[in-house]
Amino acid sequence: DTAVSQTPKYLVTQMGNDKSIKCEQNLGHDTMYWYKQDSKKFLKIMFSYNNKELIINETVPNRFSPKSPDKAHLNLHINSLELGDSAVYFCASSVQGNNSPLHFGNGTRLTVT
Amino acid sequence: SQQGEEDPQALSIQEGENATMNCSYKTSINNLQWYRQNSGRGLVHLILIRSNEREKHSGRLRVTLDTSKKSSSLLITASRAADTASYFCATDSSNTGKLIFGQGTTLQVKP
Repeated sequence: DTAVSQTPKYLVTQMGNDKSIKCEQNLGHDTMYWYKQDSKKFLKIMFSYNNKELIINETVPNRFSPKSPDKAHLNLHINSLELGDSAVYFCASSVQGNNSPLHFGNGTRLTVT
Repeated sequence: SQQGEEDPQALSIQEGENATMNCSYKTSINNLQWYRQNSGRGLVHLILIRSNEREKHSGRLRVTLDTSKKSSSLLITASRAADTASYFCATDSSNTGKLIFGQGTTLQVKP
C-alpha cells in the first residue's frame, strides 16, 4: 500500500539510450513532481503537474519529457542519455495549493555508463 | 538558484543528546518545511511552519522560524540512533507548491 511508488528502483544504462521511469500515487493528490538529487544530495525540482497539466518546467533539457496520463501517474522519459544524467530521481505528490507537504517515492537511481 | 543553506553540513552526537540544525534562505516565503531522508530512501515530511508562525512542535521535534533573519532551526531532543539521517529544509515562495531545498545536514547519532 505504498503511497508514492516509482519503478524501477535502479536503472543502469549506456550513453545514448532512451529510458523511462514510472510513478504512481494512490493518495488522491492533484499535484505530482519530479525532483533530481545529485551526488552531493542537492535536490532540485524538474517538473510539476497539476491534474495532468504542466505547471512547472525548471529549465530542464528537452531530452527529458514528463507525461501524465492521469492525475495518479507521472512518468519521466529521457532520450539520448548522458553521463551527467546519473542521479537519483524522485517522484512526489501533494494536495493542490499552498502549505501542502510533499510525499516522496523512494527514488530511482539512474547510472549512465 | 539554491534557496536554502543549512548549517552544519554534518553533525555527530551521542544518543540522548539534542541536535540542532539551522537553515537560512534568501527570499520571502509562504512556508518552510523540514524533511528527513534515510539512506537510500525518499524524503519524509516532518514539520511545516507558515510564515506567520514562530515556533512549532511535533513530538521530539521543535522548529523555529525567524522571518526577519530569514532563518529556521530544527531541534531534535533526546536523540536516538534511529534519528540518523539527512535533514533538509525547503521553502515555498510561490503559489505553485514549488519547493526549494537546502543542501541538507547529515546527522549521525551514535548509540
